[in-house]
Amino acid sequence: DIQLTQSPSFLSASVGDRVTITCRASQGISSYLAWYQQKPGKAPKLLIYAASTLQSGVPSRFSGSGSGTEFTLTISSLQPEDFATYYCQQLNSYLFGPGTKVDIK
Amino acid sequence: EVQLVESGGVVVQPGGSLRLSCAASGFTFDDYTMHWVRQAPGKGLEWVSLISWDGGSTYYADSVKGRFTISRDNSKNSLYLQMNSLRTEDTALYYCARYFGPKGFDPWGQGTLVTVSS
Repeated sequence: DIQLTQSPSFLSASVGDRVTITCRASQGISSYLAWYQQKPGKAPKLLIYAASTLQSGVPSRFSGSGSGTEFTLTISSLQPEDFATYYCQQLNSYLFGPGTKVDIK
Repeated sequence: EVQLVESGGVVVQPGGSLRLSCAASGFTFDDYTMHWVRQAPGKGLEWVSLISWDGGSTYYADSVKGRFTISRDNSKNSLYLQMNSLRTEDTALYYCARYFGPKGFDPWGQGTLVTVSS
């Protein structure tokens, strides 16, 4: 099975910061990667699919890049509502990465 | 509005059985593959199972294979997860999600909590 790792597992940041989260696959997965945001007590929300395509309604401060085995999710200017846990998911076997919690510094 | 609503989560003893339901609305249910995903308390997301649009293909995570059965009734716009031989490690919030092709899972339901405890 293809495994996903995320780094960092936790990050502390301030409003306005640029934040980058990395997701690595144990084998190449082309661009079959999605990113989700999950806030406490809520269901995950799709942010980005096909590694870099922004889901409709998602703010443009979110962006994704990468292909093959290394992918990044970037938040260009962190807003108060962005403090959450972020998961990557590979869409060949549907497995999720372990998550990255973004907390307030 | 596209919506998924799960139900059926309760407290059950180890070795017990349970059936979860997911009611879909706002879209053509039988156009889509559907998934179950679970999240143990304080943990990450774990993919559980999928079923094709017509029910003809099903797949399971190794952790539930042989114990869980996914099914659907397109006439009722409903998805199900039959859970047998439950273990304490099956304790989790169970979400249903629509598979939007290579676009990922969207939307998700609000989840239903299954607690396996004696």
